[in-house]
Amino acid sequence: KAGVTQTPRYLIKTRGQQVTLSCSPISGHRSVSWYQQTPGQGLQFLFEYFSETQRNKGNFPGRFSGRQFSNSRSEMNVSTLELGDSALYLCASSLREQGHGELFFGEGSRLTVL
Amino acid sequence: GENVGLHLPTLSVQEGDNSIINCAYSNSASDYFIWYKQESGKGPQFIIDIRSNMDKRQGQRVTVLLNKTVKHLSLQIAATQPGDSAVYFCAENLNSGGSNYKLTFGKGTLLTVNP
Repeated sequence: KAGVTQTPRYLIKTRGQQVTLSCSPISGHRSVSWYQQTPGQGLQFLFEYFSETQRNKGNFPGRFSGRQFSNSRSEMNVSTLELGDSALYLCASSLREQGHGELFFGEGSRLTVL
Repeated sequence: GENVGLHLPTLSVQEGDNSIINCAYSNSASDYFIWYKQESGKGPQFIIDIRSNMDKRQGQRVTVLLNKTVKHLSLQIAATQPGDSAVYFCAENLNSGGSNYKLTFGKGTLLTVNP
């Protein structure tokens, strides 16, 4: 079956703009988690959604937000982009909530902020 | 092993040798651990997991060892192959309040396999 799909794979934005990233989980998976990956900080947890509800949130400012739809697809949004938001944004899905099994990752959306 | 600084630890091995990648985790209450492999340009891929009620688990060519006394996790790769070249992350399952858990990742170790 198809894996986790993230779109777009690459994008370039300028400071002050906003961006929306999309994630389609593996069919049947109800949990979607988002991570930010940078060379300096590694993989940092952003948030997790399960059955359209945000279960958990990392230590990121309010400019970072997300949502999950009834079909389990998820989007994350970053407003008022800063240079430091340049990163690989990874989405991961799982059958159950985090902590109860393997996360399956997508290939990521690479965001460059100029 | 793992490093909380800016530089990614590296491990370079010869093809056919065994590799050992180490990880120190932070919370003695963590009850579930996973090793992930990330190849260049790809997302992390599950390798093997272990629950805190075990101290060893084996997969195909990989073994994970858990030492709860010193909060240490290791990944052993037998007969390392060029295709094993990647960044390896350990992740611990941290309780973030109530019944909520989140996987927290280490900084990663870059494994390079020389032919």
